[in-house]
Formats: sequence, C-alpha cells, structure tokens
Amino acid sequence: GNSVTQMEGPVTLSEEAFLTINCTYTATGYPSLFWYVQYPGEGLQLLLKATKADDKGSNKGFEATYRKETTSFHLEKGSVQVSDSAVYFCALRINSGGSNYKLTFGKGTLLTVNP
Amino acid sequence: NAGVTQTPKFRVLKTGQSMTLLCAQDMNHEYMYWYRQDPGMGLRLIHYSVGEGTTAKGEVPDGYNVSRLKKQNFLLGLESAAPSQTSVYFCASSLPVASQPQHFGDGTRLSIL
Repeated sequence: GNSVTQMEGPVTLSEEAFLTINCTYTATGYPSLFWYVQYPGEGLQLLLKATKADDKGSNKGFEATYRKETTSFHLEKGSVQVSDSAVYFCALRINSGGSNYKLTFGKGTLLTVNP
Repeated sequence: NAGVTQTPKFRVLKTGQSMTLLCAQDMNHEYMYWYRQDPGMGLRLIHYSVGEGTTAKGEVPDGYNVSRLKKQNFLLGLESAAPSQTSVYFCASSLPVASQPQHFGDGTRLSIL
C-alpha cells in the first residue's frame, strides 16, 4: 500500500535557523506530493505541492523537491520565524483507479521556533 | 471566499447523546471527507463521499454515519456518543484529480463526558 514517513519531532529551532523536515514515501503508483501546515487551533492549510518528478514546490519561503529516485519530498526553509511554529504534515495522493480520493498523511512534525 | 465551513466549532456532549456535524463547501467539489485528529494518531479518515448521494467507509467508520444529500453538504452523525469519540473533527473537500489538494475546514472540537 501507500505510506508516508516523516520525522516526528518535535523540532525546536531558534529564529533564523535553517529548517529541514524529512519526508519519504512508498506508493504503488505515481503520486502527487503535498505539504500541509496546521497552526494552533486551526485546520490544515496547503503549504506547497509537486505533481511530478523533479518539480519544486515553494510558498512563504518553504521549498520541497519531488525526488523520485529517493522517494522523498523534504521540506526546507532557509530562515525560520516564530510565526512558522506549527505542525507540518507530508501527504501523497495517487491516481489509481478508484482510489484517487485518498490522501495519505504522515503523522506530522511539531515545529517550535524560539525568538 | 468561504471554502469549507464546519459547524459547530465546539460541542460538549454526554455519553449516549446524539449529534450531527455539518460541513459545507462552496467550491463545487465532487469529493468530501470527514477525518478525526487525535494526539499522536495524526489524521484518520472516517467516511468519504465521491459524489452527491454516495458515501463510503474510511479507516475508522464505527460509531459514525454520514449523508450527502446535496453536493455542497456532508453531514457526520454520532448516534450514541462515547468518550472514545472525543476528538477534533475535520471536514475536507477536493476535486476528483490526484494532483489537486484537499481543502480543510477549521475543525469541530468535540468532548464526550
């Protein structure tokens, strides 16, 4: 089946530090990949996505590159801010006959950024 | 631009009571979903719908029922609430295309005493 594995954290950084959150996946077909962010007390928001190999998704200073050879989609940001404190979810969705409804999530990574 | 709207936002129930959570989307999406989020468990799919009048079971359907009488609405019902159903419930909707994301509501925080 399909699965997503991401570093569970929690991750604690100082402001302006470099962020990497690792995400790897297994899929029976060719997935689209997503990163979602959940701020405290809110729902999930799409942060970025990539739909084919070597695509780079980017938004709000965050980036992730779809690496088919390593089945990875690591999230990076060069300089984090306190306002980036949130839970980050890696997810995949696959076009597989009747299963294209399903979004498979990782368990989430809690990021705390200290001033 | 409302997106996905969930009502209510908070609710406290007693064991054995029933209630319905309402989800409405204004994006004309075919697919709709109900998830629950529990600490350390991530998001788990309860039920989903691929179109008006259709519903299907997800990973954790027991104790819940759903209905999709109108394309824009997806209702989640708890017939006899149990403390194990204390959770945060999220509704989502999407187009029927794998390259498109799911759009989430802000959640309903439900406590069963």
